[in-house]
Amino acid sequence: EAQVTQNPRYLITVTGKKLTVTCSQNMNHEYMSWYRQDPGLGLRQIYYSMNVEVTDKGDVPEGYKVSRKEKRNFPLILESPSPNQTSLYFCASSSQSSGNTIYFGEGSWLTVV
Amino acid sequence: AQSVTQPDIHITVSEGASLELRCNYSYGATPYLFWYVQSPGQGLQLLLKYFSGDTLVQGIKGFEAEFKRSQSSFNLRKPSVHWSDAAEYFCAVATGYNTDKLIFGTGTRLQVFP
Repeated sequence: EAQVTQNPRYLITVTGKKLTVTCSQNMNHEYMSWYRQDPGLGLRQIYYSMNVEVTDKGDVPEGYKVSRKEKRNFPLILESPSPNQTSLYFCASSSQSSGNTIYFGEGSWLTVV
Repeated sequence: AQSVTQPDIHITVSEGASLELRCNYSYGATPYLFWYVQSPGQGLQLLLKYFSGDTLVQGIKGFEAEFKRSQSSFNLRKPSVHWSDAAEYFCAVATGYNTDKLIFGTGTRLQVFP
């Protein structure tokens, strides 16, 4: 089954404690992205990757890091989380070979206190 | 800059009534357009997409959308709404054929009364 899997799904953490949200896809997609969803703002892209070792900033990259060492994985790293990073995060993947349909993970609810 | 506008933040309809959710985009080139639905506490499910060809696109769950280039619109429609359609709906435009980046609208929350 085609899947984008994110972990953890729910997390409460404290300001400044580094955390990583993992994302893995099983469809051999080249493109992967991270979005955050906030009330009244819709989804905004944080970072994206067009292939292994190729990443670029999206619209709201401040406070985040990513890496793409393997094609299937695209972790999102918050080096020093702050309360304004409390949000719902989505990982997504797509590929020209899949008709450019974008598949989303189920989301990760992150609360920073 | 590319943008997507969903003018209606919240819409309420009765079950069985018809539905139209509005979406306007701003993009200089050929747009690749999507509608997603998000049920409470759930992820995003693709309803339909438009890349080229017939401007009336059929999707899942009985939804359709019509691309109108002259109006820069991609409105979502359903002839008869079911209570299970209550959710938040997002229109999005891809900034390229590679669809590595989507610009989303702010969403329209649909409430359905029995």
